[in-house]
Amino acid sequence: GENVGLHLPTLSVQEGDNSIINCAYSNSASDYFIWYKQESGKGPQFIIDIRSNMDKRQGQRVTVLLNKTVKHLSLQIAATQPGDSAVYFCAEITSGSARQLTFGSGTQLTVLP
Amino acid sequence: EPEVTQTPSHQVTQMGQEVILRCVPISNHLYFYWYRQILGQKVEFLVSFYNNEISEKSEIFDDQFSVERPDGSNFTLKIRSTKLEDSAMYFCASNVRGYNEQFFGPGTRLTVL
Repeated sequence: GENVGLHLPTLSVQEGDNSIINCAYSNSASDYFIWYKQESGKGPQFIIDIRSNMDKRQGQRVTVLLNKTVKHLSLQIAATQPGDSAVYFCAEITSGSARQLTFGSGTQLTVLP
Repeated sequence: EPEVTQTPSHQVTQMGQEVILRCVPISNHLYFYWYRQILGQKVEFLVSFYNNEISEKSEIFDDQFSVERPDGSNFTLKIRSTKLEDSAMYFCASNVRGYNEQFFGPGTRLTVL
């Protein structure tokens, strides 16, 4: 079955530094890869997605990189702010499905003052 | 800004009892989902719902689970006979057809005693 997982369970960065959160996946049939942010006590919130035929996509302060050769996905957050502290999940959508999300296990990002 | 709402925020029940978790998706959305998150673990897909029927369901979504859209606004998840292992945060999500961004509600914390 699908296996979307994360390399590191926790990540601490200084405010203002860049953050890189990593994710490994095993399902080559995935159509899209997505990053979600989950703040304490809240539901997941969409950050950015990337189609499987792309290798980079940029958003506001975030960049997602996809390396299909090694089945690796990363989320880069520029100038990390205290409000970025949350758990970050990668997720995938498989072509032909009802577009349900298969989530990875999450990385806790803590931004230090 | 429109948002997905869920009630109750916390439900405590005895093992073997039936529970109904309620969701009001965003009004123009067509796809509806239920996910669950056991404490400290990743978010897991339960079921997707489109055009008044189940599109896909996971192995977790067994005969004890059912979903319903009783009117034009509510989307419910029923667990007929709760088990201790059903204790989790249950998230409802919705999205517009053709888009990847699913909008999640704040969740209902279900505690089975």
